[in-house]
Amino acid sequence: QKEVEQNSGPLSVPEGAIASLNCTYSDRVSQSFFWYRQYSGKSPELIMSIYSNGDKEDGRFTAQLNKASQYVSLLIRDSQPSDSATYLCAVAFYNQGGKLIFGQGTELSVKP
Amino acid sequence: ETGVTQTPRHLVMGMTNKKSLKCEQHLGHNAMYWYKQSAKKPLELMFVYNFKEQTENNSVPSRFSPECPNSSHLFLHLHTLQPEDSALYLCASSLGLASDSGANVLTFGAGSRLTVL
Repeated sequence: QKEVEQNSGPLSVPEGAIASLNCTYSDRVSQSFFWYRQYSGKSPELIMSIYSNGDKEDGRFTAQLNKASQYVSLLIRDSQPSDSATYLCAVAFYNQGGKLIFGQGTELSVKP
Repeated sequence: ETGVTQTPRHLVMGMTNKKSLKCEQHLGHNAMYWYKQSAKKPLELMFVYNFKEQTENNSVPSRFSPECPNSSHLFLHLHTLQPEDSALYLCASSLGLASDSGANVLTFGAGSRLTVL
Protein backbone atom coordinates (compact mmCIF):
# COMPACT_ATOMS: atom_id res chain seq x y z
CA GLN A 1 0.00 0.00 0.00
CA LYS A 2 1.28 3.44 -0.90
CA GLU A 3 2.11 5.53 2.12
CA VAL A 4 0.57 8.78 0.90
CA GLU A 5 -2.12 8.75 -1.76
CA GLN A 6 -3.72 11.51 -3.76
CA ASN A 7 -5.95 11.54 -6.81
CA SER A 8 -3.75 12.72 -9.66
CA GLY A 9 -6.59 14.64 -11.30
CA PRO A 10 -6.81 16.84 -13.13
CA LEU A 11 -9.40 18.50 -10.92
CA SER A 12 -11.18 21.26 -12.77
CA VAL A 13 -13.23 23.92 -10.99
CA PRO A 14 -14.73 27.21 -12.19
CA GLU A 15 -13.34 30.49 -10.95
CA GLY A 16 -14.86 31.46 -7.62
CA ALA A 17 -15.74 27.90 -6.62
CA ILE A 18 -14.32 25.86 -3.75
CA ALA A 19 -11.61 23.40 -4.72
CA SER A 20 -11.32 20.36 -2.47
CA LEU A 21 -8.12 18.33 -2.51
CA ASN A 22 -7.82 15.09 -0.57
CA CYS A 23 -4.98 12.97 0.73
CA THR A 24 -4.94 9.68 2.63
CA TYR A 25 -2.02 8.10 4.40
CA SER A 26 -1.20 4.63 5.59
CA ASP A 27 0.12 4.98 9.13
CA ARG A 28 -1.85 6.07 12.16
CA VAL A 29 1.35 7.16 13.88
CA SER A 30 1.96 10.29 11.86
CA GLN A 31 2.94 13.58 13.35
CA SER A 32 2.89 16.37 10.83
CA PHE A 33 1.14 17.09 7.57
CA PHE A 34 1.91 19.54 4.83
CA TRP A 35 0.45 20.91 1.63
CA TYR A 36 2.84 22.19 -1.02
CA ARG A 37 1.94 23.94 -4.27
CA GLN A 38 4.01 23.39 -7.38
CA TYR A 39 3.54 25.48 -10.50
CA SER A 40 4.58 23.92 -13.78
CA GLY A 41 8.35 24.11 -14.14
CA LYS A 42 8.83 25.42 -10.61
CA SER A 43 9.78 23.90 -7.27
CA PRO A 44 7.27 23.08 -4.51
CA GLU A 45 6.41 25.83 -2.05
CA LEU A 46 4.77 25.35 1.33
CA ILE A 47 1.15 26.47 1.66
CA MET A 48 0.01 24.96 4.93
CA SER A 49 1.17 22.74 7.75
CA ILE A 50 -1.13 21.08 10.25
CA TYR A 51 -0.29 19.03 13.31
CA SER A 52 -3.52 18.36 15.20
CA ASN A 53 -7.03 17.21 14.34
CA GLY A 54 -9.46 19.79 13.07
CA ASP A 55 -9.31 22.75 10.74
CA LYS A 56 -6.60 25.31 10.19
CA GLU A 57 -7.37 28.38 8.13
CA ASP A 58 -5.00 30.75 6.36
CA GLY A 59 -6.65 33.23 4.05
CA ARG A 60 -8.49 31.35 1.31
CA PHE A 61 -6.89 28.05 2.33
CA THR A 62 -8.20 25.62 4.96
CA ALA A 63 -6.44 22.42 5.90
CA GLN A 64 -8.49 19.71 7.58
CA LEU A 65 -6.95 16.80 9.47
CA ASN A 66 -8.69 13.66 10.68
CA LYS A 67 -6.15 11.28 12.18
CA ALA A 68 -8.71 8.60 13.05
CA SER A 69 -9.72 8.34 9.40
CA GLN A 70 -6.17 8.99 8.19
CA TYR A 71 -6.92 11.78 5.81
CA VAL A 72 -5.94 15.37 5.34
CA SER A 73 -7.60 17.75 2.93
CA LEU A 74 -7.06 21.22 1.53
CA LEU A 75 -9.92 23.53 0.66
CA ILE A 76 -9.34 26.55 -1.54
CA ARG A 77 -12.17 29.08 -1.37
CA ASP A 78 -12.90 31.58 -4.14
CA SER A 79 -10.56 29.70 -6.49
CA GLN A 80 -8.59 31.84 -8.92
CA PRO A 81 -6.91 30.91 -12.21
CA SER A 82 -3.61 31.64 -10.43
CA ASP A 83 -4.36 28.69 -8.13
CA SER A 84 -3.92 26.33 -11.09
CA ALA A 85 -1.00 24.13 -10.08
CA THR A 86 -0.16 20.70 -8.72
CA TYR A 87 -0.80 20.33 -5.01
CA LEU A 88 1.43 17.94 -3.11
CA CYS A 89 0.47 16.33 0.18
CA ALA A 90 3.34 15.34 2.48
CA VAL A 91 3.31 13.41 5.73
CA ALA A 92 6.03 12.97 8.32
CA PHE A 93 5.75 9.52 9.83
CA TYR A 94 6.76 9.04 13.44
CA ASN A 95 8.72 5.87 12.70
CA GLN A 96 10.66 7.36 9.80
CA GLY A 97 12.66 10.00 11.59
CA GLY A 98 10.53 12.96 10.63
CA LYS A 99 11.32 12.91 6.93
CA LEU A 100 8.52 13.92 4.59
CA ILE A 101 6.86 11.36 2.34
CA PHE A 102 5.03 12.90 -0.61
CA GLY A 103 1.96 11.86 -2.53
CA GLN A 104 2.03 12.04 -6.32
CA GLY A 105 0.15 15.33 -6.35
CA THR A 106 -3.23 16.52 -7.61
CA GLU A 107 -3.31 18.79 -10.62
CA LEU A 108 -5.81 21.60 -10.16
CA SER A 109 -7.15 23.67 -13.04
CA VAL A 110 -9.28 26.74 -12.28
CA LYS A 111 -11.21 27.87 -15.35
CA PRO A 112 -12.05 31.57 -15.79
CA GLU B 1 21.59 35.39 -1.89
CA THR B 2 18.73 33.98 0.11
CA GLY B 3 16.92 30.65 0.28
CA VAL B 4 18.13 27.51 -1.43
CA THR B 5 20.18 27.88 -4.61
CA GLN B 6 20.82 25.06 -7.05
CA THR B 7 23.25 24.96 -9.97
CA PRO B 8 23.19 24.20 -12.78
CA ARG B 9 19.50 24.67 -13.56
CA HIS B 10 19.77 22.50 -16.66
CA LEU B 11 22.25 19.74 -17.44
CA VAL B 12 22.57 17.43 -20.44
CA MET B 13 25.07 14.63 -20.16
CA GLY B 14 26.05 11.43 -21.87
CA MET B 15 26.04 8.12 -20.06
CA THR B 16 29.82 8.12 -19.72
CA ASN B 17 30.13 11.67 -18.38
CA LYS B 18 30.82 12.74 -14.82
CA LYS B 19 29.06 15.83 -13.55
CA SER B 20 27.98 17.33 -10.25
CA LEU B 21 24.93 19.17 -8.98
CA LYS B 22 25.42 21.83 -6.34
CA CYS B 23 23.08 23.11 -3.66
CA GLU B 24 23.65 25.95 -1.21
CA GLN B 25 21.31 27.20 1.49
CA HIS B 26 21.44 30.55 3.25
CA LEU B 27 18.72 29.85 5.82
CA GLY B 28 20.85 28.63 8.71
CA HIS B 29 19.29 25.18 8.40
CA ASN B 30 20.97 22.04 9.64
CA ALA B 31 19.40 19.37 7.43
CA MET B 32 19.69 19.06 3.66
CA TYR B 33 18.03 16.68 1.24
CA TRP B 34 18.13 15.45 -2.33
CA TYR B 35 14.81 14.52 -3.96
CA LYS B 36 14.18 13.14 -7.46
CA GLN B 37 11.04 14.19 -9.31
CA SER B 38 10.00 12.23 -12.39
CA ALA B 39 6.87 12.85 -14.42
CA LYS B 40 3.66 11.54 -12.84
CA LYS B 41 5.53 10.05 -9.87
CA PRO B 42 5.77 11.19 -6.26
CA LEU B 43 8.83 13.03 -5.10
CA GLU B 44 11.41 10.37 -4.21
CA LEU B 45 13.67 11.04 -1.27
CA MET B 46 17.26 10.12 -2.13
CA PHE B 47 19.54 11.33 0.65
CA VAL B 48 19.29 13.18 3.94
CA TYR B 49 22.09 14.94 5.79
CA ASN B 50 21.75 16.35 9.29
CA PHE B 51 24.63 18.46 10.63
CA LYS B 52 26.58 17.24 7.55
CA GLU B 53 26.20 13.58 8.56
CA GLN B 54 24.26 11.29 6.24
CA THR B 55 21.17 9.94 7.97
CA GLU B 56 19.33 8.48 5.01
CA ASN B 57 20.26 6.68 1.81
CA ASN B 58 17.02 5.54 0.26
CA SER B 59 18.48 2.61 -1.71
CA VAL B 60 19.93 4.96 -4.29
CA PRO B 61 22.21 3.40 -6.97
CA SER B 62 25.90 4.04 -6.44
CA ARG B 63 26.10 6.06 -9.67
CA PHE B 64 24.69 8.87 -7.50
CA SER B 65 27.19 9.98 -4.87
CA PRO B 66 26.28 12.71 -2.38
CA GLU B 67 28.70 14.96 -0.54
CA CYS B 68 27.96 17.36 2.30
CA PRO B 69 31.08 19.30 3.34
CA ASN B 70 29.13 21.51 5.76
CA SER B 71 25.55 22.30 6.74
CA SER B 72 25.20 24.91 4.01
CA HIS B 73 26.41 22.96 0.99
CA LEU B 74 25.30 19.74 -0.63
CA PHE B 75 26.53 18.11 -3.81
CA LEU B 76 25.29 15.23 -5.92
CA HIS B 77 28.04 13.65 -8.01
CA LEU B 78 26.82 11.84 -11.10
CA HIS B 79 28.65 9.21 -13.14
CA THR B 80 27.68 6.58 -15.71
CA LEU B 81 24.03 7.54 -15.50
CA GLN B 82 21.22 5.90 -17.45
CA PRO B 83 18.54 7.58 -19.56
CA GLU B 84 15.95 6.68 -16.91
CA ASP B 85 17.83 8.94 -14.50
CA SER B 86 16.60 11.93 -16.47
CA ALA B 87 14.47 13.93 -14.02
CA LEU B 88 14.25 17.09 -11.95
CA TYR B 89 16.58 16.89 -8.97
CA LEU B 90 15.43 19.02 -6.08
CA CYS B 91 17.52 20.07 -3.15
CA ALA B 92 15.77 21.05 0.06
CA SER B 93 16.73 22.13 3.54
CA SER B 94 15.06 22.24 6.93
CA LEU B 95 15.93 23.52 10.36
CA GLY B 96 16.16 19.94 11.61
CA LEU B 97 14.50 16.54 11.48
CA ALA B 98 12.10 16.78 14.42
CA SER B 99 8.55 16.43 13.19
CA ASP B 100 6.66 17.59 16.27
CA SER B 101 8.01 21.13 16.31
CA GLY B 102 7.88 22.05 12.65
CA ALA B 103 11.66 21.82 12.34
CA ASN B 104 11.26 19.44 9.40
CA VAL B 105 9.42 21.92 7.17
CA LEU B 106 11.20 21.83 3.82
CA THR B 107 12.33 24.76 1.71
CA PHE B 108 13.11 23.69 -1.84
CA GLY B 109 15.56 24.99 -4.37
CA ALA B 110 14.50 25.64 -7.95
CA GLY B 111 15.81 22.26 -9.09
CA SER B 112 18.29 20.96 -11.62
CA ARG B 113 16.72 19.50 -14.75
CA LEU B 114 18.90 16.58 -15.83
CA THR B 115 18.75 14.92 -19.23
CA VAL B 116 20.83 11.79 -19.84
CA LEU B 117 21.37 10.92 -23.48
